[in-house]
Amino acid sequence: GAVVSQHPSWVICKSGTSVKIECRSLDFQATTMFWYRQFPKQSLMLMATSNEGSKATYEQGVEKDKFLINHASLTLSTLTVTSAHPEDSSFYICSGYSSGVYSEAFFGQGTRLTVV
Amino acid sequence: AQKITQTQPGMFVQEKEAVTLDCTYDTSDPSYGLFWYKQPSSGEMIFLIYQGSYDQQNATEGRYSLNFQKARKSANLVISASQLGDSAMYFCAMREGGRGSTLGRLYFGRGTQLTVWP
Repeated sequence: GAVVSQHPSWVICKSGTSVKIECRSLDFQATTMFWYRQFPKQSLMLMATSNEGSKATYEQGVEKDKFLINHASLTLSTLTVTSAHPEDSSFYICSGYSSGVYSEAFFGQGTRLTVV
Repeated sequence: AQKITQTQPGMFVQEKEAVTLDCTYDTSDPSYGLFWYKQPSSGEMIFLIYQGSYDQQNATEGRYSLNFQKARKSANLVISASQLGDSAMYFCAMREGGRGSTLGRLYFGRGTQLTVWP
C-alpha cells in the first residue's frame, strides 16, 4: 500500500515551546491530508483538514492559532503545536488518500507528544 | 448522535478461535464506506478491510471478513483463527460521501481492545 511517513515518532518538549510534526506522502500526491488526535485509550478525533495550497479547515473547538497547519506541497503537510502546554500531550496522527477520497486512507506512524 | 458505535470495550478470545467485533453506524448519506483498522501498542493504524455502501457482497481479506447488514446499519468484523499477534485495539470507522471540505474524513468508534490468549 501507499506510504505516509510521519516524523518525529515521539517528542518531549518544555511548556511554552513549539513543536513541528511532519507528514509526508512518499509515493503519492495528497491534495488533502487529515490530522487526528488521540488521547490515551480513546478514539481518534479529527482536528483539521489540510488542503494543499490553501488554508486548513479546523474542527469546532480546535484552536487554529495553536495548531498551525501548513500544506505547502502535494507531498508534505506539517502540524505545529505552538506554545505547547501539558494538556496538549497526546498522540497525533496524519492520514491521506492515495487515489482520491474514495480509496483507502493511509496513516502515518503517529507522533506521541509529551509536554513537560 | 454517535456516527460509529462500538459497544465492546474489551474482548477475549482463545488462539485459533474466531471472534466478532461489533460495530454499528449512523448516517443518512446513501454513499458511505466502512473501515476497520488495527492499532497495536505502537500506535500505527493498520488497515484491515473496507466495505462500500453499494457493495453487494461482504468484504473479505484473508482471515478478516466484514459482516455487513445494511438494514441494521451494522458492520461487524470477524477474525477467524485468531493469533496471538492479533491482540490490539480495533477501530471501526466510516467515511461519508458528499461534497465539501470534510470529504474524506473518517469518523471512528471508541475501539475494542482484543486480547488473544494461548
